[in-house]
Amino acid sequence: GESVGLHLPTLSVQEGDNSIINCAYSNSASDYFIWYKQESGKGPQFIIDIRSNMDKRQGQRVTVLLNKTVKHLSLQIAATQPGDSAVYFCAETYNTDKLIFGTGTRLQVFP
Amino acid sequence: DTGVSQDPRHKITKRGQNVTFRCDPISEHNRLYWYRQTLGQGPEFLTYFQNEAQLEKSRLLSDRFSAERPKGSFSTLEIQRTEQGDSAMYLCASSPRQGETEAFFGQGTRLTVV
Repeated sequence: GESVGLHLPTLSVQEGDNSIINCAYSNSASDYFIWYKQESGKGPQFIIDIRSNMDKRQGQRVTVLLNKTVKHLSLQIAATQPGDSAVYFCAETYNTDKLIFGTGTRLQVFP
Repeated sequence: DTGVSQDPRHKITKRGQNVTFRCDPISEHNRLYWYRQTLGQGPEFLTYFQNEAQLEKSRLLSDRFSAERPKGSFSTLEIQRTEQGDSAMYLCASSPRQGETEAFFGQGTRLTVV
């Protein structure tokens, strides 16, 4: 099938370890952020979101951290599993709800 | 299946031909978005609709591209006189309303122009 992100930065982690994926966003006025997971041949899948009035939000095995001072977003995945292998994108939006995507990161999980 | 549906999944066309893609959003979602994605890149915004109104178009959307959402439900994206540079994955997404709600994506239409 189609491979997404052939030339993307890659993070390789061992199964069971924690993963941290980073993203620098572009617009200091952005007020809403989303992390998406994209598997080969599929559309992006929502993982977790965060508003600009928060600096941390937790989901099931995932945590998003927002540092507005340096326009940085991170996604932490606890106890990474083989099924987490995919390309991860952060997206930002301001007011109009048009999502602007960042450069993705490929996560590879090995046994 | 109540997710965003796109048709076709794959399209191969000769340069210069016209193609049309369809997107069926999640029922009752007011907003519908079109994005384009090439290998190694994140999705790039093309245009979006609030109900039947097209609210914004990207500079990426040349005059060969046109999108419609005539009844505020499904949408079509047409590319006229296709060029090899149009080869990409075309993604559709929908969201319930304006604001801090996530957009749900379809599986995309993979266009190859030969």
